[in-house]
Amino acid sequence: EPEVTQTPSHQVTQMGQEVILRCVPISNHLYFYWYRQILGQKVEFLVSFYNNEISEKSEIFDDQFSVERPDGSNFTLKIRSTKLEDSAMYFCASSDAGRADTQYFGPGTRLTVL
Amino acid sequence: GIQVEQSPPDLILQEGANSTLRCNFSDSVNNLQWFHQNPWGQLINLFYIPSGTKQNGRLSATTVATERYSLLYISSSQTTDSGVYFCAVGGTGGSYIPTFGRGTSLIVHP
Repeated sequence: EPEVTQTPSHQVTQMGQEVILRCVPISNHLYFYWYRQILGQKVEFLVSFYNNEISEKSEIFDDQFSVERPDGSNFTLKIRSTKLEDSAMYFCASSDAGRADTQYFGPGTRLTVL
Repeated sequence: GIQVEQSPPDLILQEGANSTLRCNFSDSVNNLQWFHQNPWGQLINLFYIPSGTKQNGRLSATTVATERYSLLYISSSQTTDSGVYFCAVGGTGGSYIPTFGRGTSLIVHP
């Protein structure tokens, strides 16, 4: 069964450093999303992406964040200058054109900012 | 924004017991999903159920959209059912983006 994959599974970085989290969505899906979950808290939406542009973003998704689909398979989330409070699990999700409401999640990347 | 409340926040069961988890939401929605987050942190989509009833094995879900709630039923619970169950709703104002509840933490003891 097709699945969303994410790399790395765990990323440790120093405060102020740039990180890039990578995702490979399900191959025939056209809608892509990033969410984050701070330890012990609920999942929060960051951004959605369709047709090579951001379609919606939350207040969390400020100028420190950016997303990109650099090729036909990868979808990346970049945090330019990490802060301690960026430590969280980051989930990528995708959905297909006909069922934009059903999102399939990847296993997540745990980001630890020291 | 839309408010999503889940109850109970915590639930402890013996293996074999049945349970009902509830999700209340504050506005009309066009989509509702139930997820299971396993102890390893992975989010598994259980149901996409903006209205009606669906069943998948020991799990079933019912959403009464007009009354703004959804129920997730777990029958004959197993230890592998342990984890956190999230309800996520969306579709207000043309947005498909889901808003998650705080979840119900379920522990099933052998």
